[in-house]
Amino acid sequence: DGGITQSPKYLFRKEGQNVTLSCEQNLNHDAMYWYRQDPGQGLRLIYYSQIVNDFQKGDIAEGYSVSREKKESFPLTVTSAQKNPTAFYLCASSIPRDYGYTFGSGTRLTVV
Amino acid sequence: QKEVEQDPGPLSVPEGAIVSLNCTYSNSAFQYFMWYRQYSRKGPELLMYTYSSGNKEDGRFTAQVDKSSKYISLFIRDSQPSDSATYLCAMRTNYGGSQGNLIFGKGTKLSVKP
Repeated sequence: DGGITQSPKYLFRKEGQNVTLSCEQNLNHDAMYWYRQDPGQGLRLIYYSQIVNDFQKGDIAEGYSVSREKKESFPLTVTSAQKNPTAFYLCASSIPRDYGYTFGSGTRLTVV
Repeated sequence: QKEVEQDPGPLSVPEGAIVSLNCTYSNSAFQYFMWYRQYSRKGPELLMYTYSSGNKEDGRFTAQVDKSSKYISLFIRDSQPSDSATYLCAMRTNYGGSQGNLIFGKGTKLSVKP
């Protein structure tokens, strides 16, 4: 079945540590997105990519980095510069300008 | 003014009630309107999709778009406890690039009590 796979489901980060969240899709979608979701804040766009080897900052890119070396993969690194990383992270993909987005099941990141 | 406004609730209704969820928006260029349902600790799933104005019905769900008022609604008939979730509206223009990205409301948390 086609879909988006996010891993891990739960992730714990120590202070000052970088962590990478995985997002893989087999939908053959060109565009991929990363969102952060906090209670009462809705979905906030971190980064998006509309084509391989190209990506743009969203509304809250500071403290995050991404790469898009393959069409099916769009990993997100939460760096130590992100001071409040505890949140639910969602990856999505789409065919640009077509219908809506397909979301993964999310990764819950907690700072310990 | 935010581009998309959605009352966060929470909204609590008894089983069998008709539920009305709404969003308002400010960008007259929005052409595509969607409703997503998100269960706790899960990713959102696309529930309804509408292009431009009008109504769309799918089982117990009806989506309405009133572009003249910049107002969209989702109605749930005969609501069930399994409908308890957060509902997010989303919309976008027909433009390419970043201007074609989906803009989401903050979501309304719905609880249907047995």
